[in-house]
Amino acid sequence: DGGITQSPKYLFRKEGQNVTLSCEQNLNHDAMYWYRQDPGQGLRLIYYSQIVNDFQKGDIAEGYSVSREKKESFPLTVTSAQKNPTAFYLCASSTRTGRGTGELFFGEGSRLTVL
Amino acid sequence: QQQVKQSPQSLIVQKGGISIINCAYENTAFDYFPWYQQFPGKGPALLIAIRPDVSEKKEGRFTISFNKSAKQFSLHIMDSQPGDSATYFCAASRGNQFYFGTGTSLTVIP
Repeated sequence: DGGITQSPKYLFRKEGQNVTLSCEQNLNHDAMYWYRQDPGQGLRLIYYSQIVNDFQKGDIAEGYSVSREKKESFPLTVTSAQKNPTAFYLCASSTRTGRGTGELFFGEGSRLTVL
Repeated sequence: QQQVKQSPQSLIVQKGGISIINCAYENTAFDYFPWYQQFPGKGPALLIAIRPDVSEKKEGRFTISFNKSAKQFSLHIMDSQPGDSATYFCAASRGNQFYFGTGTSLTVIP
């Protein structure tokens, strides 16, 4: 079945460590996104990529890095520079329809806890 | 500046009642307005969406009402069921840029 796979689902990290969250999609979508979700704050955009080898910062990119070497993959690294990394991270992808904006599909999320 | 404002933050409805969640947006260039449903520990799933050339869209018990002049849109859940208890997010989009509301936690009491 087509979809977005995020791994790991749960991750624990010590302060000062970098961690990489995986996101893979087999929907053949061009655009991919990373969002951070905190209680009461909705979804905040970290990074997005509209095409391979290109990505742009979102609203809260500080302390995060991404790469887009393949169309199917958009990993997110949470670096030690991110001051408050404990959160629920969501990967998404979208395609542009003939009328403009396409539907946004989400993965199941990765919950990162910093100990 | 928040592009999409959503209210209420939480909502409690009796089974069989109508749940109403409201959103307002600023940018008149938005051309796609989806609603997402999210259960605890899961990713959001598209529930229903509307484009600004129509004023209402209905899918089963879920209806979006869209007021272009007021820059507002709302989700109505008719005959609300306990299984509808979830967090609902509105969003507005143009191209591949999506902006989300802060979410509404809906609880339907049996």
